[in-house]
Amino acid sequence: DVKVTQSSRYLVKRTGEKVFLECVQDMDHENMFWYRQDPGLGLRLIYFSYDVKMKEKGDIPEGYSVSREKKERFSLILESASTNQTSMYLCASSRPQGGGNTIYFGEGSWLTVV
Amino acid sequence: GQQVMQIPQYQHVQEGEDFTTYCNSSTTLSNIQWYKQRPGGHPVFLIQLVKSGEVKKQKRLTFQFGEAKKNSSLHITATQTTDVGTYFCAGPTTSGTYKYIFGTGTRLKVLA
Repeated sequence: DVKVTQSSRYLVKRTGEKVFLECVQDMDHENMFWYRQDPGLGLRLIYFSYDVKMKEKGDIPEGYSVSREKKERFSLILESASTNQTSMYLCASSRPQGGGNTIYFGEGSWLTVV
Repeated sequence: GQQVMQIPQYQHVQEGEDFTTYCNSSTTLSNIQWYKQRPGGHPVFLIQLVKSGEVKKQKRLTFQFGEAKKNSSLHITATQTTDVGTYFCAGPTTSGTYKYIFGTGTRLKVLA
C-alpha cells in the first residue's frame, strides 16, 4: 500500500512564526503536492513538484514555499504564519494509472495560527 | 479559469434512500476521478473514468462520465451509514495532466 506520511497532525503556531510541514512518501512517486482544505472551498493546490528540486505554483501559492531535496520528501514552508493560514493541509503523491494519475493523500495536518 | 463544480454541497438522506452527486467542469476532461473523505479523514481514491459515456460500478456505487466529457455523476443505491463522508470529483488541469483540480465536494449525511 502507498503510504504518505505527514509528520505533524496538529500544530498551533503564533502569527509571524516560520512553520514547516513535512511529508514523506514511500512509493518512489515522481509527483508530490500540497493542498489546502477549507470548508466550502474544497481542496486547493498550493504547490506541486514533478521531480527533485523542481516545483511549480498551484492556485494559491502566496505566503507559502516548498522544498524537495529528495524524491520521497516534500516540505511546505510558511515563512511568516498568519491567521488566514489556519487550515488543514494535505500532502499527496501520485502515479500514472490507466490514462490518469492516481493521487494518494496523507492524513492531513491541522494548523491553527493564533 | 478552469473550474469544477459539484452539486449539491450537502445532502442528508435516510438510510436506504438513494443519493446522487453531480460534477460539472468548465473544460473538457481527459479523465475524471472520484474520491471519498470520511469525517476526520483524508480523501481516498475511488475510481477513474476515461471514456466518453463510460459507466462503472462498485457494489452500490455507480459512476458515469458524460458524453461530452465535461460532467460526471456518482449515484449510491440504498445508502448505508458507512457511506457518510464528503465525495470529491477531480479532473486534470488544462495546464498539466499531473495536476488535478478538485470539485468543491458533496457532504453526505446518512440518518439511521
